Amino acid sequence: DQQVKQNSPSLSVQEGRISILNCDYTNSMFDYFLWYKKYPAEGPTFLISISSIKDKNEDGRFTVFLNKSAKHLSLHIVPSQPGDSAVYFCAARGGGSNYKLTFGKGTLLTVNP
Amino acid sequence: DAGVTQSPTHLIKTRGQQVTLRCSPKSGHDTVSWYQQALGQGPQFIFQYYEEEERQRGNFPDRFSGHQFPNYSSELNVNALLLGDSALYLCASSLEGTQYFGPGTRLLVL
Repeated sequence: DQQVKQNSPSLSVQEGRISILNCDYTNSMFDYFLWYKKYPAEGPTFLISISSIKDKNEDGRFTVFLNKSAKHLSLHIVPSQPGDSAVYFCAARGGGSNYKLTFGKGTLLTVNP
Repeated sequence: DAGVTQSPTHLIKTRGQQVTLRCSPKSGHDTVSWYQQALGQGPQFIFQYYEEEERQRGNFPDRFSGHQFPNYSSELNVNALLLGDSALYLCASSLEGTQYFGPGTRLLVL
């Protein structure tokens, strides 16, 4: 039972254009969502997060949107740069005393020069 | 300010052996979580330690155990290793919020 799904295994974008990575979830108890970026042979690096009480959070080139009714979130990267090429993981935290992060399988983003 | 560190970086063991992985949290963080990441999958939660106690556990057998020390560093122990335990083991530290990950330990069980 996969509670966090990233349905696109890969995405290819031209440098300077927008990258949109999508994530769906099934558990309505999730109260906090995060995006991580992972390069090969490194651990996941935190990018941006959003609380379930918000619908948008922005940090520089990265914006996360949350649609609670659709149980959907997305990460927008504008403009995309070749250094953004990595695997992106969506993660969700359960509410209350549930501290664990539940991850999707990841989306490989390739930004072409 | 050092981030989360883990040791060793790589490890090769044989079936039935035992292994201990180590993690030092980011400065100021008091909570340590451990995750297992198999190839092509997202990290899977093993357990979380807070105030030297296991606060929450995921769906992993009792062969997986851990410990947190007074300086907040942590160990993950796996007994009776199976081939399926081959994976990247990630440690994450936090202080009431976002979890920050270390580089991981790559374990290969032969």
